[in-house]
Amino acid sequence: AQSVTQPDIHITVSEGASLELRCNYSYGATPYLFWYVQSPGQGLQLLLKYFSGDTLVQGIKGFEAEFKRSQSSFNLRKPSVHWSDAAEYFCAVGVRGSTLGRLYFGRGTQLTVWP
Amino acid sequence: DAEITQSPRHKITETGRQVTLACHQTWNHNNMFWYRQDLGHGLRLIHYSYGVQDTNKGEVSDGYSVSRSNTEDLPLTLESAASSQTSVYFCASSNIAGSTDTQYFGPGTRLTVL
Repeated sequence: AQSVTQPDIHITVSEGASLELRCNYSYGATPYLFWYVQSPGQGLQLLLKYFSGDTLVQGIKGFEAEFKRSQSSFNLRKPSVHWSDAAEYFCAVGVRGSTLGRLYFGRGTQLTVWP
Repeated sequence: DAEITQSPRHKITETGRQVTLACHQTWNHNNMFWYRQDLGHGLRLIHYSYGVQDTNKGEVSDGYSVSRSNTEDLPLTLESAASSQTSVYFCASSNIAGSTDTQYFGPGTRLTVL
């Protein structure tokens, strides 16, 4: 079965610092990959996704992620964090070619931003 | 604008009562999903549907049921609410029937079972 690991439960960074959130997956082939963000009391919003092509993907709010097949990773990055980026971030994996259409989510990483 | 809505946003109920959470999407998406979110567990899939009259169990389906009578709605029913079902519930939808695609989420329903 597919699995998604976000090793960091909670990360704290200072405003203006760079950010990297880690995501590793377990799947035999190249999956579809997603990052979602959840602000307090809100639903999940898509930040970016990778289906194919360029392995460096740009998303909204200045985020990017890089798919590394050799490491089974899809880490999320931002060069300079803003206080409004404080939220919970979820990595998700979809099975390529599957008729099931479902996504598998990691447990999330809570981001705190210090002023 | 197309959207996905959930109601109620907050619900308090008693153990043993039947509860129904509504999910309505106006994107005309084929696929709809119900998740629960609990601290330390992320999102876990309860039930999903790929179209009218189609429903499937996820990994935490015990005690829950869904029905899909039209494209827009997938209500989630707790037949006899239990304290272990206190959680935040999210509905999501995606477009392409029977295929992996971006899922769009509703705002969530916070359910408390006393």
